[in-house]
Amino acid sequence: AQKVTQAQTEISVVEKEDVTLDCVYETRDTTYYLFWYKQPPSGELVFLIRRNSFDEQNEISGRYSWNFQKSTSSFNFTITASQVVDSAVYFCALSTNAGGTSYGKLTFGQGTILTVHP
Amino acid sequence: DGGITQSPKYLFRKEGQNVTLSCEQNLNHDAMYWYRQDPGQGLRLIYYSQIVNDFQKGDIAEGYSVSREKKESFPLTVTSAQKNPTAFYLCASSSHDYTYNEQFFGPGTRLTVL
Repeated sequence: AQKVTQAQTEISVVEKEDVTLDCVYETRDTTYYLFWYKQPPSGELVFLIRRNSFDEQNEISGRYSWNFQKSTSSFNFTITASQVVDSAVYFCALSTNAGGTSYGKLTFGQGTILTVHP
Repeated sequence: DGGITQSPKYLFRKEGQNVTLSCEQNLNHDAMYWYRQDPGQGLRLIYYSQIVNDFQKGDIAEGYSVSREKKESFPLTVTSAQKNPTAFYLCASSSHDYTYNEQFFGPGTRLTVL
């Protein structure tokens, strides 16, 4: 069975602090994809990044960076120099061909509420 | 601009009534999905559709029904059989239902049962 755990329910930081959101996943599949989504107060989930199971390179996009480690089944997300606009709920998600079907079932973590104070 | 629209944004329903949530996309995506979001539980899949006139149950389909008569539309009906329907409902779509395709989400509908 697929499972995604985001152990941090809520994180509160002051602007300009760096913050890391943890994500640990479980799957028996060798081919899978990991995603991060941002949910601002408006409610709509915004896609941030996708990483496949064969690519362990870290990625940086502006103030955002992602660290994928298969050895620890983790896909952590770091925001550098956080800003108030980063306040949102962040979801980590896992997609696999569960059951051998072609359908990519997306399993979400519980989400981490990030609050950045000015 | 391409995107996904959901209506209404807020919906109130009396117990025992069926209600239909609208989801429309103009992204020309084949696959569409309905999720339910409850506080502290992340998103759970209700139904998904890979192509027109076809749909499958997700993890929590009981008490819900869907149709997919047009590529761009995937309405969700919350029936009176759904025991705890108060939640935030999100519709999503992806170009295909493949593992690697990211899903694009609408703004959601918040349903409250009075």
